Amino acid sequence: GAGVSQTPSNKVTEKGKYVELRCDPISGHTALYWYRQSLGQGPEFLIYFQGTGAADDSGLPNDRFFAVRPEGSVSTLKIQRTERGDSAVYLCATSLDGQGDTQYFGPGTRLTVL
Amino acid sequence: GESVGLHLPTLSVQEGDNSIINCAYSNSASDYFIWYKQESGKGPQFIIDIRSNMDKRQGQRVTVLLNKTVKHLSLQIAATQPGDSAVYFCAEDYGQNFVFGPGTRLSVLP
Repeated sequence: GAGVSQTPSNKVTEKGKYVELRCDPISGHTALYWYRQSLGQGPEFLIYFQGTGAADDSGLPNDRFFAVRPEGSVSTLKIQRTERGDSAVYLCATSLDGQGDTQYFGPGTRLTVL
Repeated sequence: GESVGLHLPTLSVQEGDNSIINCAYSNSASDYFIWYKQESGKGPQFIIDIRSNMDKRQGQRVTVLLNKTVKHLSLQIAATQPGDSAVYFCAEDYGQNFVFGPGTRLSVLP
């Protein structure tokens, strides 16, 4: 079946603007994760959803970052008042049940804040 | 499980040789580990996993070794091919999420 998809693939925005990044999970996967990857580094955890609820949002760097998954499928990562330091690749991963399951990654959204 | 600096360790191997990529993990309570391969412009791709009740697991051309005593993982790639060129990450199960190592860039020389 289809893998994890993310849109847009690239997003360029100006400092101070609001952006939304979308993740479509593998069908049937209840767990969904957002990561941020800066150049030359491994993915850094942001938030984990189990179904519709955020089970762990400890990785969100500040209150400008927010994510939702209203129907337990598609998720949207929202960043308010973007800053140049937010520039990175934002990766979404999903797994069948969550804890201890293999995570399958999407291709990522490259966000550039000018 | 902290991320490290901007300069990725690099491993260069001759095509056809075996590659060994190493990773140190931080949490002695972690019980599940994964190796991912990431090509330029793409998301990490699952290669192989291992649980803490094992010390070795083999896949197609790849083997993962786990040494819990020293908290060390390794990925062995047999007969390395040009298509194996990528950045390789280990990830450890850290409660409700995974923590990734800094990555190693594998370059396959013709």
